[in-house]
Amino acid sequence: ETGVTQTPRHLVMGMTNKKSLKCEQHLGHNAMYWYKQSAKKPLELMFVYNFKEQTENNSVPSRFSPECPNSSHLFLHLHTLQPEDSALYLCASSQRGSQETQYFGPGTRLLVL
Amino acid sequence: QKEVEQDPGPLSVPEGAIVSLNCTYSNSAFQYFMWYRQYSRKGPELLMYTYSSGNKEDGRFTAQVDKSSKYISLFIRDSQPSDSATYLCAMSASGETSGSRLTFGEGTQLTVNP
Repeated sequence: ETGVTQTPRHLVMGMTNKKSLKCEQHLGHNAMYWYKQSAKKPLELMFVYNFKEQTENNSVPSRFSPECPNSSHLFLHLHTLQPEDSALYLCASSQRGSQETQYFGPGTRLLVL
Repeated sequence: QKEVEQDPGPLSVPEGAIVSLNCTYSNSAFQYFMWYRQYSRKGPELLMYTYSSGNKEDGRFTAQVDKSSKYISLFIRDSQPSDSATYLCAMSASGETSGSRLTFGEGTQLTVNP
């Protein structure tokens, strides 16, 4: 595997379900990011981790819970989501201090019913 | 007012045309300017990266930054059908105090017709 990978690529869940999104980077980076991409809206930064420490939480609702066990892996745990949370969730990585050059994964397309 | 304004298009051009994509911004602290290309069902990929004002050329692509006008452009020469994608501008301020935040435009959807 190369670059940034994300699983699953597609996810359909009910509002009472609990699911997790996984991201893995194979680039030796030490910063990882979660973004939300909705139609007709700019990418929204959700969370930032530097060296496994969360350094930014962009006022994200608590139904989204990130986890970063090491510099290569990032998870987004989902529970009791709302239909408006349906979107493409993108993971990215970079070297810390070089956030201008972020490398993105292919995203997880999430549909909340 | 949005920090970054980008015309969402869609923009449709014939093959071989010169394409001009633009973004305006309001935050004078922005120093780093990026263009990402996003194909359908893929994540964004970094296309061009420019620091401060000036031009940068890479093959058929030229990025321009005019900080005095708070205006950035991406030009694509001899456009190809494979250039059909959504183009996102992004920018950030400098220094550790800026955190890790990139501010993105909405994206412009481009179609190059054979």
